[in-house]
Amino acid sequence: DGGITQSPKYLFRKEGQNVTLSCEQNLNHDAMYWYRQDPGQGLRLIYYSQIVNDFQKGDIAEGYSVSREKKESFPLTVTSAQKNPTAFYLCASSIGEGGSYNEQFFGPGTRLTVL
Amino acid sequence: DQQVKQNSPSLSVQEGRISILNCDYTNSMFDYFLWYKKYPAEGPTFLISISSIKDKNEDGRFTVFLNKSAKHLSLHIVPSQPGDSAVYFCAASAGNYGQNFVFGPGTRLSVLP
Repeated sequence: DGGITQSPKYLFRKEGQNVTLSCEQNLNHDAMYWYRQDPGQGLRLIYYSQIVNDFQKGDIAEGYSVSREKKESFPLTVTSAQKNPTAFYLCASSIGEGGSYNEQFFGPGTRLTVL
Repeated sequence: DQQVKQNSPSLSVQEGRISILNCDYTNSMFDYFLWYKKYPAEGPTFLISISSIKDKNEDGRFTVFLNKSAKHLSLHIVPSQPGDSAVYFCAASAGNYGQNFVFGPGTRLSVLP
């Protein structure tokens, strides 16, 4: 079964701690994305990667970091520098540039709560 | 300032009737538009799309209409079914690049039996 997995589903963190959210896809997609969703707002892009070993900042990258060492994996680290990290985080992937509509396939999300 | 707006946070419709979800955008450079559906505790799933060269795209019970002059698109679901109850997001992009998509805040549709 092809798809995107995110773990954990729920995550609690103390203030001042870094935490890493996992995202894995077996769709053989080149592009991967991290979004953040807050109540009453649309998804906002944190980081994206179009190819292995390359990634770009999205609209709200401050306080976050990513890596793309493998095509299948795109972990997101929420650092202590992120001032308001409590949110729902969604990972997505797409074929990449040149696809017909380039629709994105989403994982089930991770809800991060900072205590 | 939100570039993509969905002004109705929620909508209730009787089973079998038409559901109309609306989306407005402000950026005239947007030329690709998508709709996603999201069930609780799941990620959004792609539903239907349209490019600016068309004004209508149909897929089964789902039809998306695009009015470029009004910067408005709508999703019609006919007939509505209880399984359609979900949050619907519209997204718009300038160019067919995944990183460019701007998402609206979503509309929660409830289809009542």
